[in-house]
Amino acid sequence: NAGVTQTPKFRILKIGQSMTLQCTQDMNHNYMYWYRQDPGMGLKLIYYSVGAGITDKGEVPNGYNVSRSTTEDFPLRLELAAPSQTSVYFCASTQDRGAGNTIYFGEGSWLTVV
Amino acid sequence: DAKTTQPNSMESNEEEPVHLPCNHSTISGTDYIHWYRQLPSQGPEYVIHGLTSNVNNRMASLAIAEDRKSSTLILHRATLRDAAVYYCILRDRGNQFYFGTGTSLTVIP
Repeated sequence: NAGVTQTPKFRILKIGQSMTLQCTQDMNHNYMYWYRQDPGMGLKLIYYSVGAGITDKGEVPNGYNVSRSTTEDFPLRLELAAPSQTSVYFCASTQDRGAGNTIYFGEGSWLTVV
Repeated sequence: DAKTTQPNSMESNEEEPVHLPCNHSTISGTDYIHWYRQLPSQGPEYVIHGLTSNVNNRMASLAIAEDRKSSTLILHRATLRDAAVYYCILRDRGNQFYFGTGTSLTVIP
């Protein structure tokens, strides 16, 4: 059972570089999310999508971009990486807007900006 | 979105029950109460959720106060593998999942 798959697992970026974190889910979920988690802190919502072609900002969207061209994929783009973007990034998905639905997470992507 | 309040940390002895509290005094009538946990270096995983009635599953029990302003996650026999951060989250229909800082549970052998 693949569930939510994120790549890469680890990455070191230099300041000013750009990169894309990939996220794929095989559960045919409509809703997908990107969170970041700084050391010792809870998860902060970056962007979310309620379906292909629809994305919206979460709590901390600055410095990031997303797209949702298919139901399965929800990549997160970091433009001009900054040290403040050093964090662990989690992709997640849930079926739809139902309040009782479960959210499923990927294993995380550890990003360091130096 | 309605907010939740949890203690920052708790300790429990192995093999003993653990009661993790969560206050949500501004909960709306349609908010579901979700509990997730995050093991070290992993993404959060589902534990249990409920609306009004108490719920049981193989992992835990969820006790919801009659006025729904608080809830308690019950681990019946804590094991070392239960050491994690536990998040209490409210979700209404169409809203997103917002995570606070949770309760860090330490299990003492």
